[in-house]
Amino acid sequence: DAGITQSPRHKVTETGTPVTLRCHQTENHRYMYWYRQDPGHGLRLIHYSYGVKDTDKGEVSDGYSVSRSKTEDFLLTLESATSSQTSVYFCAISGDRGRAEAFFGQGTRLTVV
Amino acid sequence: TQLLEQSPQFLSIQEGENLTVYCNSSSVFSSLQWYRQEPGEGPVLLVTVVTGGEVKKLKRLTFQFGDARKDSSLHITAAQPGDTGLYLCAVAGDTGRRALTFGSGTRLQVQP
Repeated sequence: DAGITQSPRHKVTETGTPVTLRCHQTENHRYMYWYRQDPGHGLRLIHYSYGVKDTDKGEVSDGYSVSRSKTEDFLLTLESATSSQTSVYFCAISGDRGRAEAFFGQGTRLTVV
Repeated sequence: TQLLEQSPQFLSIQEGENLTVYCNSSSVFSSLQWYRQEPGEGPVLLVTVVTGGEVKKLKRLTFQFGDARKDSSLHITAAQPGDTGLYLCAVAGDTGRRALTFGSGTRLQVQP
């Protein structure tokens, strides 16, 4: 199994508070991604990174920011959590070779009340 | 309109039955991936298909890429309860960013 760890695994937070989710990899892969998964929508890309300090927006980036200061860590921040951001968040990684096959973490279930 | 349309959305069958799920698009892709996701876990890659018309087999699972590389199917022979899960197809962007776009998935339940 690819070495990807997400933390926390579960979190309940109040509307309006900032929240940071962490993804840590031990594979030295260049590419890292944050997805959210909601019923009926599958997995949707929030932000991705193609190297240290190199990040870009995905299709559902509003209300989220990311940072990657080290190859192994990719942080996702909800600047001011809203109920619409209640979801399961997945981190994924992929290398330079192959067809962009991704390896996923176990997910973080976030509830905004 | 989603880039990848998966059907059916839900499927509940008895152990031993055969089934096929589909992933369709109007776009042409250089490759397509299939993932399986079990409850409480992240998706796990099953296969990547690359060539139009390609057929790949993984034990009781048979994957086919359409001749025009716009669609794909997954056929499971003699389904088992362990096949239960969410099956997702995905394609990589063509801009070099390598981020995957997923279909909304087929949720399969195999009853013992």
